[in-house]
Formats: sequence, structure tokens, C-alpha cells
Amino acid sequence: DQQVKQNSPSLSVQEGRISILNCDYTNSMFDYFLWYKKYPAEGPTFLISISSIKDKNEDGRFTVFLNKSAKHLSLHIVPSQPGDSAVYFCAARPSGGTSYGKLTFGQGTILTVHP
Amino acid sequence: ETGVTQSPTHLIKTRGQQVTLRCSSQSGHNTVSWYQQALGQGPQFIFQYYREEENGRGNFPPRFSGLQFPNYSSELNVNALELDDSALYLCASSSTGGNTIYFGEGSWLTVV
Repeated sequence: DQQVKQNSPSLSVQEGRISILNCDYTNSMFDYFLWYKKYPAEGPTFLISISSIKDKNEDGRFTVFLNKSAKHLSLHIVPSQPGDSAVYFCAARPSGGTSYGKLTFGQGTILTVHP
Repeated sequence: ETGVTQSPTHLIKTRGQQVTLRCSSQSGHNTVSWYQQALGQGPQFIFQYYREEENGRGNFPPRFSGLQFPNYSSELNVNALELDDSALYLCASSSTGGNTIYFGEGSWLTVV
């Protein structure tokens, strides 16, 4: 049972344009969501997160939107740069006192930004 | 640089053997979790350690076990290795009440 889904295995974008990566979840107990970026042979790098009490969080070129009713979140990267080319993972964490490290990940989306 | 360090970075083991992977968490982080990432998949939660006790486990058999030490560093042990255990093993650390989980670079395990 895939509780976090990233339905697009890959996305190709021109440099300077917007990249939109999508993520859907099924578990209503998830209350915190994170996006990670991963290069080959490296560990995931934290990008941005959002709590379920918000619908938007912005950090520089990265914005995450959360639609709780649709159980959907998206990551917007504007403007996209070639260095953004990597695998992007959406992750969700359940509510609960000691659930800090219990993340459920999606399968990842490979983003390629062309110069 | 996340402050989470893992060792070894790469290793090759034979089916049936045992392996120990190590993780040093970021300073001040008292919670360590371990993940397995197979090729082409997202990381899968193995278990979490908090105050030296296992606190939550994913869908992994008992031959996956761990330890957390008083300095919050941690070990992942896998017994009776199988070919399907070949994967990248990631350690992550976080703090009580903290919302960000930081990952190490991972340990690549190949079982032949």
C-alpha cells in the first residue's frame, strides 16, 4: 500500500521556467510534509517542509503548497536552474509525540533542467 | 553538510553473512532513524531509536536490528544477509520536537 505517491517518474523543464512536482497521500494521520532532493551517490538533502495547519510555505525559489482536502501537495521551483537537476522525494510524517523520524517517502521524480 | 556521518560508505558481503553499519547523528539530535533505499525506489523506514530504545519499526524482519548509544550514535545490524538486502542504507537524525530530519550520505551494501 503506497501511502505517498509521486505519479510522475520524470519531469523535463527549460532553464528559467517553473518546475512543478506533485505528490499525493492517502493517510489522514500525516500532518507534516517534507521535500528532499537527492543526487546520485549522496544522501537526501532537505529542501522545504510544511505543516498541515498551513497551505503554503515559501523559501527562496522553492514553494510548497498543501491541499489537505485533496491530500495533495506540490513543490514549485521558480526559476528552475540546471543545478536543480536531481531526484526529488516527497515525504510525510504522522502526528504523534515521538514520530519525528518516521517518514514515508514517495517513489521520487527525476527533474531535468535543460540550459 | 548535515552533520550526520555514516560508515562504511561501501561494502560487499556474501549471502548469509552479517553486517554492521554505523551512524553518528547531528549534535543535539537524540532521535536516529534508519532507512533502506533500493534502486529506483524511495527510502523505506526500517526503525527509529529514541533514548537508546527502539521506538517504531517499519515492515522489516527481526534480522534487522539496531542500537543507539548514550552519545546518540547508532548501529544497524543485519543478520543472515539476502541478495535483496542490497541497497543504500540511510541514517537520519532529528531532535525532540524538531521538524527537520537530516540524512547522512548513506552506506551502499552489495550482497553477492
